[in-house]
Amino acid sequence: SQQGEEDPQALSIQEGENATMNCSYKTSINNLQWYRQNSGRGLVHLILIRSNEREKHSGRLRVTLDTSKKSSSLLITASRAADTASYFCATDARNTDKLIFGTGTRLQVFP
Amino acid sequence: DAGVIQSPRHEVTEMGQEVTLRCKPISGHNSLFWYRQTMMRGLELLIYFNNNVPIDDSGMPEDRFSAKMPNASFSTLKIQPSEPRDSAVYFCASSLVAGPNQPQHFGDGTRLSIL
Repeated sequence: SQQGEEDPQALSIQEGENATMNCSYKTSINNLQWYRQNSGRGLVHLILIRSNEREKHSGRLRVTLDTSKKSSSLLITASRAADTASYFCATDARNTDKLIFGTGTRLQVFP
Repeated sequence: DAGVIQSPRHEVTEMGQEVTLRCKPISGHNSLFWYRQTMMRGLELLIYFNNNVPIDDSGMPEDRFSAKMPNASFSTLKIQPSEPRDSAVYFCASSLVAGPNQPQHFGDGTRLSIL
């Protein structure tokens, strides 16, 4: 079963705009990761945020985590056409080495 | 650096045939994961290995599916006999060490179509 649910399912924006994707999960976590998947390719790890962190930055990416609401958001600033992809959150499954991936948000950035 | 390498990239076969998917993890990575991705069910973990040992195969859908990791640089996922509902993209991923705080590195997948 999927732990994470991304919202929205799909998002279309113009280049230069910011894109925000949200992830909600059901059970308590130790870590949350975000991945990108380009069409026809495998997933690529973007960023990991630990449960004791509230915000993390990497280049144009900003991730927040609210453990009280069991939610995370991924913000891509100044989007580019090359950011067009699906974005997934992944959470740890209790006491295992496994990740459980969410349903993904399909982002389309128009030039 | 070479990433995770999967072969073949595409496989089309008739139902009832045996299918073998192959994966070469990143050198030095100790954990290997097999996933299946479909539109209906998203990305599902099938099985994972730590140090070549299968740890959790609870995601393997049926006895028709089997996976092996004979050494640190090679793993296979077999489906015998294959069925049309097995059609999906199968991904292999590896991580340096075990643990959900480890980034996973994915191959580009095998797109499997069972006719």
